[in-house]
Amino acid sequence: EPEVTQTPSHQVTQMGQEVILRCVPISNHLYFYWYRQILGQKVEFLVSFYNNEISEKSEIFDDQFSVERPDGSNFTLKIRSTKLEDSAMYFCASSTGPAGELFFGEGSRLTVL
Amino acid sequence: GDSVTQMEGPVTLSEEAFLTINCTYTATGYPSLFWYVQYPGEGLQLLLKATKADDKGSNKGFEATYRKETTSFHLEKGSVQVSDSAVYFCALGDAGNNRKLIWGLGTSLAVNP
Repeated sequence: EPEVTQTPSHQVTQMGQEVILRCVPISNHLYFYWYRQILGQKVEFLVSFYNNEISEKSEIFDDQFSVERPDGSNFTLKIRSTKLEDSAMYFCASSTGPAGELFFGEGSRLTVL
Repeated sequence: GDSVTQMEGPVTLSEEAFLTINCTYTATGYPSLFWYVQYPGEGLQLLLKATKADDKGSNKGFEATYRKETTSFHLEKGSVQVSDSAVYFCALGDAGNNRKLIWGLGTSLAVNP
């Protein structure tokens, strides 16, 4: 069964460092998403991406964040200069269309020290 | 803004017990409603959904009915199994647009043999 894969599963970084989280969406999906869950809080939408551009983003997704689809398979989330409050589980998802079911990866846990 | 409130966990049940996890929402318009499940070590998976009032979503013995009059989407299962142990998330999305799901906090369920 096709699945969304995310790497790394866990990353520990120092405050101020750049982090790139990687995702391989399901191959025939066209819409890609990042969500995050800070420990003890709700899952929050960060950004959606379609046709090589951001289609929607939340207020959380400020200039420190960027997304990219550098090739035909990867979808990345970059945090330019990490802050302590960026510590969270980051989930990548993909779907065939805007109303289609979202398929999620297992998540990448980011710990900022 | 739109929001989802679900009962706090953890919920601990014995095998074959009846399960209810409450979920209520506030939203403008007519959202679609979802239950996602996260098994240990896995990603978020869509369990069931309902797209309009009085719809009943069902899957794997779980059911939830979209009640507009009470703004609720409670998850139920008549007889839980140990394998149902997981975290369950209620979420809502704009009708026809699942790009920006709004999530509840999640309810952890542990089923003991």
